[in-house]
Amino acid sequence: EVQLVETGGGLIQPGGSLRLSCVASGFTVSSNYMSWVRQAPGKGLEWVSVIYADGRTSYADSVKGRFTVSRDTSKNTVYLQMNSLRAEDTAVYYCARGYDGSGYAVDYWGQGTLVTVSS
Amino acid sequence: QSALTQPASVSGSPGQSITISCSGTSSDVGGYRYVSWYQHHPGKAPKLLTYDVRNRPSGVSNRFSGSKSGNTASLTISGLQAEDEADYYCCSYTSSNTVVFGGGTKLTVL
Repeated sequence: EVQLVETGGGLIQPGGSLRLSCVASGFTVSSNYMSWVRQAPGKGLEWVSVIYADGRTSYADSVKGRFTVSRDTSKNTVYLQMNSLRAEDTAVYYCARGYDGSGYAVDYWGQGTLVTVSS
Repeated sequence: QSALTQPASVSGSPGQSITISCSGTSSDVGGYRYVSWYQHHPGKAPKLLTYDVRNRPSGVSNRFSGSKSGNTASLTISGLQAEDEADYYCCSYTSSNTVVFGGGTKLTVL
């Protein structure tokens, strides 16, 4: 059974850093593209980042230069390192698995982890 | 990377059909077949309904269908059911090698 579990969220001051983890089971993270998507309170879904099977990465303009996505295949885990956090980064962060055979769609999602950026 | 444009809300009665539009540009919706739709019940994980414009993952009801014309994609839900009440999001690959979501549409089943 495919499962994704995000951890690492919490309350952080503006300018601070957090690292989110997404532990996968039921498949290998290096065999799929893995995306991060966030949802700010009362707002819609916003795509954040992707790491492809070949290791290439891509980021939304709103986080480029501040966030870094990576993976550890030995731990079957994907990470989102978030630096220089801003109030507008406050959101529930989801990791999601790329859907085999599709272009950029995702099928399985984690339950999300809440990041609150506030002083 | 402006969000794709969706109506904020739509409504319909049980048994009816509704269509949600998703307007983009030639740099996203119009330029690629990589458009997908998601259903999101608050507090739960989003669910993939259609991908690559009109394909459905196994297990998704054929009441959900996707299409595209020019820079606008659409999701049609036929035979509305109470359980369809949720938020719906379109999503597209872009020419910047990024992905963009629509602003979301709240579906109310009357």
